[in-house]
Parts: sequence; structure tokens; C-alpha cells
Amino acid sequence: NAGVMQNPRHLVRRRGQEARLRCSPMKGHSHVYWYRQLPEEGLKFMVYLQKENIIDESGMPKERFSAEFPKEGPSILRIQQVVRGDSAAYFCASSPVSGRAHEQFFGPGTRLTVL
Amino acid sequence: KQEVTQIPAALSVPEGENLVLNCSFTDSAIYNLQWFRQDPGKGLTSLLLIQSSQREQTSGRLNASLDKSSGRSTLYIAASQPGDSATYLCAVINQGAQKLVFGQGTRLTINP
Repeated sequence: NAGVMQNPRHLVRRRGQEARLRCSPMKGHSHVYWYRQLPEEGLKFMVYLQKENIIDESGMPKERFSAEFPKEGPSILRIQQVVRGDSAAYFCASSPVSGRAHEQFFGPGTRLTVL
Repeated sequence: KQEVTQIPAALSVPEGENLVLNCSFTDSAIYNLQWFRQDPGKGLTSLLLIQSSQREQTSGRLNASLDKSSGRSTLYIAASQPGDSATYLCAVINQGAQKLVFGQGTRLTINP
């Protein structure tokens, strides 16, 4: 059973470009979470999604950031018009519907560098 | 607002020692608490999960305890090895929520 997959692992963008980060949850998991780790800071929650629904986006910046988890395919975190302050590691986690509820399993992260 | 604090921020010990990492949280109404390990430039590996009704969990040389009423958890590592060197993160999920609230982590170095 493959773990949570994220791609790309490293992404370099120039200011003003768009960044698209992808996350494929573990097989059988229908809950996806995105977290951001800024340099020298802790991990902060951004958004929680289920298939085709955003459940909690209280940690998402109000502008330029959006997330989706379509019926088919991976979850996408999209950052428009990137700025240097967006440089960070972005982690995706997934959890199953049942089982040890809410235990989250993390992917390897995407490290975004904005030049 | 839930706040999670980990002390110490960094710890360096010789190989073979037993050690304790501390985690405290301000709101005791939690659903569960998870301990993670993060290696430099890598993702998070889940080590132990303690549900709010439990007092402790064990996995190999690791033992995590939870005292919900006092807002504290400890991670005990027995017979430390250089391969245990990493940053250890504590995180909680509040009741009625789904998101993890993380501490800043303890950076552990085990010296051969």
C-alpha cells in the first residue's frame, strides 16, 4: 500500500507565476489535509477537504490560494501570483473514513522556492 | 485557541541514554494527540497516536503518555541510538475539529 504521494518534490517559481502542488492520498483514504511549514516555523494547518468538498479552509490565506479534491484524481493546492513569502514546504496528509479516526499520514512534502 | 508547546527546543545526549521529550497544550478538550518524527528535508513519520480516553501508547523503544486534565504529554525514548536523531513533533486535534495543531518541535541529537 503506497503512502501519501506528493509531486513535485521541489518546485521553483519566479514571482508572479503560478504554483500547482499535487497530492494523492493513501488508498482508501478520502480525507485530505494541507499544511505549510515556513522556514524556522512550525507546521500550520491550511485546509481540509473531502472528495469534491472543502470542509475547513480556516488556515488558507484569503487571496491567491485555492485547493480542490475532485472526484477523480489528486488533490491540488494552487497558489497564484506567487511571492517570496510563499517559499515553504507544503505537506499533504490523508486519513481514512474509519479506523483510528483522525490519524493522519503525511506525504514527503513539496518544497516551493520563489525567486 | 489551542496552543502547543514543546520543551526543550533542542536536546543533545550521548548514545544509550534514556530521555524524555515534553509537550503541553492549553485546551484539554482534545480528541487525540500524535507524536511525529521529521528528518531534515523530509516528511513526517507518525510514531504514536494516543486517543483522549487513553493514558499511554508504546511502540518498541518509544512510550508516549497523556495527561489530558493537566494538558501534558511525554515521549520517552529508551536506549537512544544515533538513528534517533531527528526533530520530534507533538500535535493535537481538538474535539469537533479535524486539523492538527503542532508544537514547534524538539530537535534531538544522539551523539555516538
